[in-house]
Amino acid sequence: SQTIHQWPATLVQPVGSPLSLECTVEGTSNPNLYWYRQAAGRGLQLLFYSVGIGQISSEVPQNLSASRPQDRQFILSSKKLLLSDSGFYLCAWSVLPPGTANTDTQYFGPGTRLTVL
Amino acid sequence: AQSVTQLDSHVSVSEGTPVLLRCNYSSSYSPSLFWYVQHPNKGLQLLLKYTSAATLVKGINGFEAEFKKSETSFHLTKPSAHMSDAAEYFCVVSEGGSTLGRLYFGRGTQLTVWP
Repeated sequence: SQTIHQWPATLVQPVGSPLSLECTVEGTSNPNLYWYRQAAGRGLQLLFYSVGIGQISSEVPQNLSASRPQDRQFILSSKKLLLSDSGFYLCAWSVLPPGTANTDTQYFGPGTRLTVL
Repeated sequence: AQSVTQLDSHVSVSEGTPVLLRCNYSSSYSPSLFWYVQHPNKGLQLLLKYTSAATLVKGINGFEAEFKKSETSFHLTKPSAHMSDAAEYFCVVSEGGSTLGRLYFGRGTQLTVWP
């Protein structure tokens, strides 16, 4: 069966420090991968998605970046964190290729709680 | 354009009473609709999914939802609430047939279950 891992589970970082959050998926090949942010009192915001190794699409302009160095690994990074980067970061995966008739289902990881002080 | 409106930000019920979480959507395509549940500091768990098959969809933990195209609604129900159902629930619509299964989330409904 497929599983998705995220780490760390919680992180407290000072403003201006770098960030690296990691997401890995097991039990599937060539998944679509997604990074979301969930801020307090707000819904989920799609940050990045990837349909393959090295292929990253950004949804919103910000000081975050994403990379996909391996098929089942998705990394969220920042060179300098802002206070507004605080939130709950969720990684998700899906397996149906883009453009198919049936919408694929996204499965979410356990999340990383990031607090920027 | 796709959008989702969850009509109640908070719902409180007593244990053993029915649960109704309301959701309306708008979609330019034949939509796929989902309900996810999120317990505190946890990821989102898929409860159920509608993809143009039966309009009444049964999910996990006794939840079900009915797709009503004429009302553009996809309300989530459960006959009898359990304490473990206390969580936040998200109604989600997806762009059917797009190049990516992009999801559009409602703002969530916090369900409280009283003993």
